[in-house]
Amino acid sequence: GENVEQHPSTLSVQEGDSAVIKCTYSDSASNYFPWYKQELGKRPQLIIDIRSNVGEKKDQRIAVTLNKTAKHFSLHITETQPEDSAVYFCAAINTGTASKLTFGTGTRLQVTL
Amino acid sequence: DTAVSQTPKYLVTQMGNDKSIKCEQNLGHDTMYWYKQDSKKFLKIMFSYNNKELIINETVPNRFSPKSPDKAHLNLHINSLELGDSAVYFCASSLRGGSNTGELFFGEGSRLTVL
Repeated sequence: GENVEQHPSTLSVQEGDSAVIKCTYSDSASNYFPWYKQELGKRPQLIIDIRSNVGEKKDQRIAVTLNKTAKHFSLHITETQPEDSAVYFCAAINTGTASKLTFGTGTRLQVTL
Repeated sequence: DTAVSQTPKYLVTQMGNDKSIKCEQNLGHDTMYWYKQDSKKFLKIMFSYNNKELIINETVPNRFSPKSPDKAHLNLHINSLELGDSAVYFCASSLRGGSNTGELFFGEGSRLTVL
């Protein structure tokens, strides 16, 4: 089955700096890679996703890159703000099968003033 | 309108008791899930149902029994609760078993505390 590793487990940045979270996956058949944000005491919510036919996707201050050859993908947050503080989860799935979405272990991002 | 709702939000109970958590989605999705999030925030899938049929059953003690009366509802019953069952349990739904879209819509979570 799929195995997703995520680093770092915690990340502290100053407001305005950039944050990068990296994930690797094991199953080369995985073709969909979402990122979820979970604020304290709240539910995980999708913030951005990327499919295997695309190398990069951007949505305002958030971008995700995918390297299929190396089987890794990354989340980039620019100009971080205090409201970006949360736990971020990467995930991977082969949408061609009825397989499960496998999550990474999460990164706790703290944006300090 | 709440897309995925689960009840109760909080459960505090004694070891050995039996408890249930209910989940309902109004998104018209075919697939529903139960995830367990422990104190380290790891999100682990427990079960998945596609149109009332069990399609994913991870290595979960048989004290945990899911039930899906229809594709909009997925309940979780836990027998003989143990301390290690303390966690936040999230219900989620997706359009169709990961196909076409992998996006999961999560409920607000049910925090279970076993004393």
